[in-house]
Amino acid sequence: DTAVSQTPKYLVTQMGNDKSIKCEQNLGHDTMYWYKQDSKKFLKIMFSYNNKELIINETVPNRFSPKSPDKAHLNLHINSLELGDSAVYFCASGIGLADEQFFGPGTRLTVL
Amino acid sequence: QQPVQSPQAVILREGEDAVINCSSSKALYSVHWYRQKHGEAPVFLMILLKGGEQKGHDKISASFNEKKQQSSLYLTASQLSYSGTYFCGTDLTGGGNKLTFGTGTQLKVEL
Repeated sequence: DTAVSQTPKYLVTQMGNDKSIKCEQNLGHDTMYWYKQDSKKFLKIMFSYNNKELIINETVPNRFSPKSPDKAHLNLHINSLELGDSAVYFCASGIGLADEQFFGPGTRLTVL
Repeated sequence: QQPVQSPQAVILREGEDAVINCSSSKALYSVHWYRQKHGEAPVFLMILLKGGEQKGHDKISASFNEKKQQSSLYLTASQLSYSGTYFCGTDLTGGGNKLTFGTGTQLKVEL
């Protein structure tokens, strides 16, 4: 059974388009995260949700809008995509920061 | 605020040992270590908490010097499977939900 899953795995799109990435976890965790990993492998947190509520928004452009319909799902919608949005986006879940985070397989977004 | 890791890269022969360091300019509540293989997701290795508690895999060892805001990950008798990029993540508050990951250390183990 997959613990944290993301769809799609690859996403290639044109500048200006809108796209969504979906994430689901079956671990029963209350906390979910979105991370962005750039071409230099720098891994940076974007958002953190706890029980469907936004806890952290790391000064991410408001073109990025996370949505958590329930505590097992955290989706990421991106409007007006820009070249600089190209990266690998990881979803993760956990109990809290005193415990491990489980990462999804990642979504490689390429904006042309 | 991003923790600094050293070395940036290291190449080992199988069986050799290595130490990866993580240093922060701010006081830390906990340090987390993850390994990421090429094209894959980061995988948890260990958490070191202020006060001395540790959680992680038995075959991994690490230290946390709270006064110096530093942590070190010790890889002994390295195996080919140890290859990957190692990240430390730091939690400054203990009460939040934010990890700030370091610059990464690329480790390659060769025969």
